[in-house]
Amino acid sequence: DTAVSQTPKYLVTQMGNDKSIKCEQNLGHDTMYWYKQDSKKFLKIMFSYNNKELIINETVPNRFSPKSPDKAHLNLHINSLELGDSAVYFCASSSAWMQYFGPGTRLTVT
Amino acid sequence: GEDVEQSLFLSVREGDSSVINCTYTDSSSTYLYWYKQEPGAGLQLLTYIFSNMDMKQDQRLTVLLNKKDKHLSLRIADTQTGDSAIYFCAEDGGATNKLIFGTGTLLAVQP
Repeated sequence: DTAVSQTPKYLVTQMGNDKSIKCEQNLGHDTMYWYKQDSKKFLKIMFSYNNKELIINETVPNRFSPKSPDKAHLNLHINSLELGDSAVYFCASSSAWMQYFGPGTRLTVT
Repeated sequence: GEDVEQSLFLSVREGDSSVINCTYTDSSSTYLYWYKQEPGAGLQLLTYIFSNMDMKQDQRLTVLLNKKDKHLSLRIADTQTGDSAIYFCAEDGGATNKLIFGTGTLLAVQP
């Protein structure tokens, strides 16, 4: 009965590759998010979708492209991966004011 | 700006109280939150407080909010070793509902 799930949990890849991270929520929430947590544990919003529409796009390189096929899913595709993309990426969903986070995907770019 | 500041580290003995402090910047935030992150794990919503409240108590957790000083604190009574984690405060970003997180406080509980 996982509320917000992400796959994969770990992703190791080389510079220049393209990769995707998937997120699914079974809470019936309308809004989903992607956050990035860097090596110093600092967390920052990247994107937010509400009912499949993009509502937040915070100064993120256009190599990052979110896609929401339906309101229960928000995937993150990253092109031409760079070393600085190494981080933990968290998906979240919310209804009203409470956000629930997934377990995170640790991306390591070598 | 969007800086939410926290002290980096707090060490307490098991059974003592812990107080984690946070200073936020956006006075228009409606809700303020505390999240817990255990090593290698995701973010667990611990508690939240509505901006027109001064205090909220939830079992061992007490949240205090001073809107004038934009100061938020989390007190954990009878701290246990299982409370060892990073604690993040967060404010909501207004209409967009994005969360603006603090820098995180690592709580170490000594047995």
